[in-house]
Amino acid sequence: GQQLNQSPQSMFIQEGEDVSMNCTSSSIFNTWLWYKQDPGEGPVLLIALYKAGELTSNGRLTAQFGITRKDSFLNISASIPSDVGIYFCAGGSYNTDKLIFGTGTRLQVFP
Amino acid sequence: DSGVTQTPKHLITATGQRVTLRCSPRSGDLSVYWYQQSLDQGLQFLIQYYNGEERAKGNILERFSAQQFPDLHSELNLSSLELGDSALYFCASSKGGEDTIYFGEGSWLTVV
Repeated sequence: GQQLNQSPQSMFIQEGEDVSMNCTSSSIFNTWLWYKQDPGEGPVLLIALYKAGELTSNGRLTAQFGITRKDSFLNISASIPSDVGIYFCAGGSYNTDKLIFGTGTRLQVFP
Repeated sequence: DSGVTQTPKHLITATGQRVTLRCSPRSGDLSVYWYQQSLDQGLQFLIQYYNGEERAKGNILERFSAQQFPDLHSELNLSSLELGDSALYFCASSKGGEDTIYFGEGSWLTVV
């Protein structure tokens, strides 16, 4: 199925380090969302972006809606062990009612 | 707790069988979405319903079908099950359109 390009695929970092991941698409989106999924659980919404150029923070998380509307990034500052999980981006368009999900970034944090 | 309820949480069944997964959306949400996630895979969109009507269709197999009832709960029916159908099936809901969607905790299906 159709998916966004999300990178990196996986990251192994030390506790306290900053993390950056991004999503790119050939299509324009009107909404960008970032989710985190813990093993065996459903994805949980972290940040929602609704306007090109928008920069939004949620605690140690910061996400931006790219100016071209074809990309978005998520930064996590000062990572902690509970940041471990899979992070998904998702793009939404007014033309379709479904969200398109990225392939996920698997994050491992070592103490 | 997202407010989206899925049952059952786990299900083990044999090939060739049929199962039904159930989803209750968040209060006030009209849209229900179904996604499939195989081991170490991303989320594959299956189908969306809005207020009882099919709104969008993704990579849903012909052996699978879904419906949304007047009380807005939804069911995903999987028939003639194959080993490859083993996956986590997520339901999600939203108020409608491309709104933020909220996921349930998923139904683990194992086909043996």
